Amino acid sequence: NAGVTQTPKFRVLKTGQSMTLLCAQDMNHEYMYWYRQDPGMGLRLIHYSVGEGTTAKGEVPDGYNVSRLKKQNFLLGLESAAPSQTSVYFCASRKTGDNEKLFFGSGTQLSVL
Amino acid sequence: DAKTTQPTSMDCAEGRAANLPCNHSTISGNEYVYWYRQIHSQGPQYIIHGLKNNETNEMASLIITEDRKSSTLILPHATLRDTAVYYCIVRLRNQAGTALIFGKGTTLSVSS
Repeated sequence: NAGVTQTPKFRVLKTGQSMTLLCAQDMNHEYMYWYRQDPGMGLRLIHYSVGEGTTAKGEVPDGYNVSRLKKQNFLLGLESAAPSQTSVYFCASRKTGDNEKLFFGSGTQLSVL
Repeated sequence: DAKTTQPTSMDCAEGRAANLPCNHSTISGNEYVYWYRQIHSQGPQYIIHGLKNNETNEMASLIITEDRKSSTLILPHATLRDTAVYYCIVRLRNQAGTALIFGKGTTLSVSS
């Protein structure tokens, strides 16, 4: 099992450009999450999904959109990138059940110039 | 979710036990304590969780006080690879519709 895979690992954008970050998990997990982490800060929740076809907003959803068309994939989109979106983005997933054991990807370093 | 308080940083000598405290004085009766760690900008890694009893797994031990207002994560024989940020999170188990909220955690530095 690969676990949680994020692509790309690094990306540089110009202000106003758009892009999509892909998160894929092969553990048949129901729940998937997108977090961002800024230098010296904890992780902040952007959006999450409790199942295929469903998404919900987290703490800092503005400027991002998400889609969960397939159970194994959770996409994070930036329609018009801003320098404030320069961050490390982490995807995570977990199974439905009785624990909060999250599995994280290795992260995507995004710089918006 | 209950608020947690952790020291900003701690040091530990290699081979010694690392004891990381967490205060959660407003914890409710059915909220669990979860610990994660993040090694140098990698994705966070689950360590352990518990409700009221002490817990132990291959990575660490979790000691929760009888009144549940605080807990301690113990790494029995710290190694250099245990240098990381450790997050203590209090949350209802399997709470639908929300997600774990990570604070700033404790930066543990293990030195030789």
